[in-house]
Amino acid sequence: GESVGLHLPTLSVQEGDNSIINCAYSNSASDYFIWYKQESGKGPQFIIDIRSNMDKRQGQRVTVLLNKTVKHLSLQIAATQPGDSAVYFCAETHYTGNQFYFGTGTSLTVIP
Amino acid sequence: DGGITQSPKYLFRKEGQNVTLSCEQNLNHDAMYWYRQDPGQGLRLIYYSQIVNDFQKGDIAEGYSVSREKKESFPLTVTSAQKNPTAFYLCASRGMNTEAFFGQGTRLTVV
Repeated sequence: GESVGLHLPTLSVQEGDNSIINCAYSNSASDYFIWYKQESGKGPQFIIDIRSNMDKRQGQRVTVLLNKTVKHLSLQIAATQPGDSAVYFCAETHYTGNQFYFGTGTSLTVIP
Repeated sequence: DGGITQSPKYLFRKEGQNVTLSCEQNLNHDAMYWYRQDPGQGLRLIYYSQIVNDFQKGDIAEGYSVSREKKESFPLTVTSAQKNPTAFYLCASRGMNTEAFFGQGTRLTVV
């Protein structure tokens, strides 16, 4: 299968600081990328997505950046809050495809 | 409200037993998926189905079986052939050109 990897397995940030979570993908044919947040014992929740015809997309306190040249995806969380503590996964697929490929995840801990 | 529902939330299996995990969605999605998640690890694909009465093996299908008799339902059976079934199981569905929507998971433990 395809591999989607994350650079850092754990990340600790002070409350109020910005967080950046990185992800590398391997399939050049992937054109749709998604970030999910998973709290302990729960299913992943959609945060934000981006298609390959864009290099940046913003949501509420979150921004996803896509660099197709180096096949790199990042999630930026502004003014990180304790409720942001969770595991974050990136996923890649083709927009009309059927399979998603997930990274291992990065565990974000927010220090009050 | 539309969504995807997994049941039960916790499930205990004795050695040699088959158990079935339920997944139901009312999102009118064609595609449905089963993933296994082990502690500190990512999601691994067990099976997926793109349409009723059709399904494909994922990366770790051995010891599992599925059916897709209705669009809304995609049950997963963990058979006795699965030697290490203790894990967190996640079901997901996807509509046309959308992200995958996940259920809240079933935690299966062998006792």
